[in-house]
Amino acid sequence: EVQLVESGGGLVQPGRSLRLSCAASGFTFDDYAMHWVRQAPGKGLEWVSGISWNSGSIGYADSVKGRFTISRDNAKNSLYLQMNSLRAEDTALYYCAKDSSSWDWYFDLWGRGTLVTVSS
Amino acid sequence: EIVLTQSPGTLSLSPGERATLSCRASESVGSVYLAWYQQKPGQAPRLLIYGASSRAIGIPDRFRGSGSGTDFTLTISSLQPEDVATYYCQQYNSYPITFGQGTRLEIK
Repeated sequence: EVQLVESGGGLVQPGRSLRLSCAASGFTFDDYAMHWVRQAPGKGLEWVSGISWNSGSIGYADSVKGRFTISRDNAKNSLYLQMNSLRAEDTALYYCAKDSSSWDWYFDLWGRGTLVTVSS
Repeated sequence: EIVLTQSPGTLSLSPGERATLSCRASESVGSVYLAWYQQKPGQAPRLLIYGASSRAIGIPDRFRGSGSGTDFTLTISSLQPEDVATYYCQQYNSYPITFGQGTRLEIK
């Protein structure tokens, strides 16, 4: 079955760190770019970060640049998001999303998301 | 960054009617770098349309995308109860990727 499964979310205090993971299955992971997209409670979608198939190209939203780091392990069919210096405004459901190709920037497969809550 | 403005914010129509959703960009996104997603309550988004007018795999032909430049439209002909959702447009012409704020579709 083609799917993405996120994990690693939870409740964390402001200023602390959290690492999200996304396990991919059912497709050739290293053929595709991958992304993280988040959705604050009751709000719309916000692209967070993307990484090309070979990690050669990486992009971040300005809101997370310098605090978040995206990475991937093609041998493990996994995508990661290291989130440091977390803020209350980072509270959201974080989706892992598959690019339609090696670097097209639209998303044809989404996971169900993992919830990150930043609060003291 | 390119700002996408969707209208209306909420649309309430009856089954069988046609829905017209608008997405306007603050600058041109070209003729093909626009996607539409459907997000049903409690679910992840699903790709409906890419390249402004190409339907994704498995999407019924009652969903139609059109437009170019700064003005794009998603048309849903003959609304079905299962079309209740929030619909988002997304541009991928320029960095960073941006989404519209969404149009919520209600069925009377």
